Formats: sequence, C-alpha cells, structure tokens
Amino acid sequence: DTAVSQTPKYLVTQMGNDKSIKCEQNLGHDTMYWYKQDSKKFLKIMFSYNNKELIINETVPNRFSPKSPDKAHLNLHINSLELGDSAVYFCASSQDWVSQETQYFGPGTRLLVL
Amino acid sequence: GQQVMQIPQYQHVQEGEDFTTYCNSSTTLSNIQWYKQRPGGHPVFLIQLVKSGEVKKQKRLTFQFGEAKKNSSLHITATQTTDVGTYFCVSEGTYKYIFGTGTRLKVLA
Repeated sequence: DTAVSQTPKYLVTQMGNDKSIKCEQNLGHDTMYWYKQDSKKFLKIMFSYNNKELIINETVPNRFSPKSPDKAHLNLHINSLELGDSAVYFCASSQDWVSQETQYFGPGTRLLVL
Repeated sequence: GQQVMQIPQYQHVQEGEDFTTYCNSSTTLSNIQWYKQRPGGHPVFLIQLVKSGEVKKQKRLTFQFGEAKKNSSLHITATQTTDVGTYFCVSEGTYKYIFGTGTRLKVLA
C-alpha cells in the first residue's frame, strides 16, 4: 500500500562503482522527482520528470542519469561513485506539474560511498 | 536564483515551551508549503498557504504567510516530544520546488 517506494533502503559501496536506485509510485501521478539530502539536512532538487519527460536537471553531474520507463517509475543510475555522493536520496511524486501540488516522498535511500 | 532561508537552524526547547521557525525569501512567493521530516524519516506535507496574510491552524501548529508574501512562519504551542524533527518551508520555482534550509527542533522531556 506504500504510495512511493524506493529500493534499496541502504546502499554501501566502494568509490568508482556504478549503482542504481529504483523508485515507484502507485498514486497515478504524472510528475516525479529526485532529491539529494546531505549530512546537514539540506534538501536539493536534482531532477524533475513529467510524463516520463525530463523537465528539470539541476546542474547535476553527468554521472547521474535518471530513467523513467513509465509514469510510475523513475530510476536513478550513478556511475563512478565518489565520496561526495554519500547522502540520502529521496524520490517524490506529485499529481502534475501545476502550481500548488503536494509532493509525496519515498522513504529514502541512504547511500554511503567508501 | 531564488533562495529561501530559515531561522533558526537549530532549536532545543523544553517540553511544553513554544517554538517558532521563520522562513524568508528574497522574492515574492506565489505560495508556500510546509513539510516536516522526523529523524530518519522522509518529508511529509503539512500545509499550504496561498493568500497574502493567510493564517491557518492545525491543532497546536499555526502557520502564517506574510502580507508581502515574502515570509512565513510556523509556530508550535506547548511542544511535545512528538514534534521533534526538521521543519522545511518550500517555495515554487519554475518546474521545481525549492526547500528552505530547515529548522531542526529537539524537544527535551
């Protein structure tokens, strides 16, 4: 019954590896997002997708590549992981990209790069 | 670019004391949302304010939107240990939401 789900919940990996995080929402929403939350709790938007199309890329390094196979899924692939990528990554969704929408967040993926 | 600053960054209060967090923007906002994130959890939507000078209440929480729509506040009356967490104000940019810097609240029993 989870509205927005992410896998895995925890990810510990070595520098230089490639990893993916998956996100699924069962709310029938058109818009999905990826956020990065650092150790100081700052939450920063990374990507916005609307109807499987990328609409915002917030100057995220090319090593991060989102993919939306359908409206309900937005996955995040990260190449050549770096120490600075350690953070909590949240997926979120909203009904549409119109004004004043509520966002629903997934539980987060805690990534630790060693 | 649009920035949303929150103060204070941290706040420790004794249970039963009041708490207020303030959100300030350099530009006029179309609306403002508030989210709460419990420790180890994810942000959860609390409320949205749209009109200039708007005040909304949710039990012990009072939300205000400034007359000029450049600032907002969240006030909690008689805090409880369940209020611990980080409170974010959120504004809208172009095709994105901009989270404020957050206020981390700790309530001491």
